Amino acid sequence: GENVEQHPSTLSVQEGDSAVIKCTYSDSASNYFPWYKQELGKRPQLIIDIRSNVGEKKDQRIAVTLNKTAKHFSLHITETQPEDSAVYFCAANVPGILTGGGNKLTFGTGTQLKVEL
Amino acid sequence: NAGVTQTPKFRVLKTGQSMTLLCAQDMNHEYMYWYRQDPGMGLRLIHYSVGEGTTAKGEVPDGYNVSRLKKQNFLLGLESAAPSQTSVYFCASRPQGPGELFFGEGSRLTVL
Repeated sequence: GENVEQHPSTLSVQEGDSAVIKCTYSDSASNYFPWYKQELGKRPQLIIDIRSNVGEKKDQRIAVTLNKTAKHFSLHITETQPEDSAVYFCAANVPGILTGGGNKLTFGTGTQLKVEL
Repeated sequence: NAGVTQTPKFRVLKTGQSMTLLCAQDMNHEYMYWYRQDPGMGLRLIHYSVGEGTTAKGEVPDGYNVSRLKKQNFLLGLESAAPSQTSVYFCASRPQGPGELFFGEGSRLTVL
């Protein structure tokens, strides 16, 4: 099955700096790559996603890049703010096959981002 | 529109007891998932369903059973709870095809 590796596990940056989180995946059939943010005690929430036919996507201070050949994708946060402090998860979606043997979203192990004043 | 609702939100069990977690969604989503979240291990898929009456195993299915008798509900059962099943459980749903996963608030289960 799909395996998603995420690095680093913890990341500390100064306010205003950039943060980069990287993920690799194993299944070349994966076609959708979302990023979730989870604040302490809360549920994960989608912050940005990218599909396999796109190389880069940006939404204000957040961007995601995808390299299908190397099977890795990254989250970039610019001008970090204290409210960006949270755990971030990458994920990869294996598409369904006929009766839906796929359609699974496999998550990385998470990155604890701390933005210091 | 409540989204995804999980009950109960907290539960303490003794080893060997059984229980059922209920997930309900009012968004008419086809796909539903149960994940468990443990420190340092991210979200691991237990079981999932791609439609009413269907279920499939995820990464860590042992010790759990599921049922999806109605499209809006996805039940996760623990027949004989073990301390290793102490975790936070998240239910999630999404429409057919790749796209945003909508999570419930989570259920914290402690097995003594």
